[in-house]
Amino acid sequence: DGGITQSPKYLFRKEGQNVTLSCEQNLNHDAMYWYRQDPGQGLRLIYYSQIVNDFQKGDIAEGYSVSREKKESFPLTVTSAQKNPTAFYLCASSPRTPSTEAFFGQGTRLTVV
Amino acid sequence: AQSVTQLGSHVSVSEGALVLLRCNYSSSVPPYLFWYVQYPNQGLQLLLKYTSAATLVKGINGFEAEFKKSETSFHLTKPSAHMSDAAEYFCAVSDFNQAGTALIFGKGTTLSVSS
Repeated sequence: DGGITQSPKYLFRKEGQNVTLSCEQNLNHDAMYWYRQDPGQGLRLIYYSQIVNDFQKGDIAEGYSVSREKKESFPLTVTSAQKNPTAFYLCASSPRTPSTEAFFGQGTRLTVV
Repeated sequence: AQSVTQLGSHVSVSEGALVLLRCNYSSSVPPYLFWYVQYPNQGLQLLLKYTSAATLVKGINGFEAEFKKSETSFHLTKPSAHMSDAAEYFCAVSDFNQAGTALIFGKGTTLSVSS
């Protein structure tokens, strides 16, 4: 089945540690996205990538980093510079046309302990 | 930049009642608009989208939305609520520029349905 796979579903991190969230898609989509979700805040865009080896900062990129070495993969690293990393993280992908919807993974819930 | 505003963070209805979730957009060009639904601890699922083909858009699970340019609105409705409609709903607009395209989301509306 085609879709987007995020792993792990739950992740616990100690303060000061970097952690990488995985996102893989087999929909053959050019564009991929990372969103952060907090209660009452909606989804806020962290990073997005339209093609391999290229990505753009979203509204809240500070404390995060990404790479796009393969079309299928768009991992997100939450660094120790991110002041409040506890949140629900959603990955999405879409074709590169504005009229086309994004398809979402099931999310990763990151908790800093 | 494009933006959307969802009026009402929480809407409560009785089973069988009309559902109305409000969304207003800010756009200087004809927008592409979307409604998504999210159940607890899951990803987002597309309900419907407006891409200028028709102003009244029908989606899944009996939902529909009407694009009103004069009011810059794209409100989501369902004639009769079901218990399974209880979820969080997000309105989104497609924001495109030289760097590419991304969906910009509203803050969401939680729909509660009581029996």
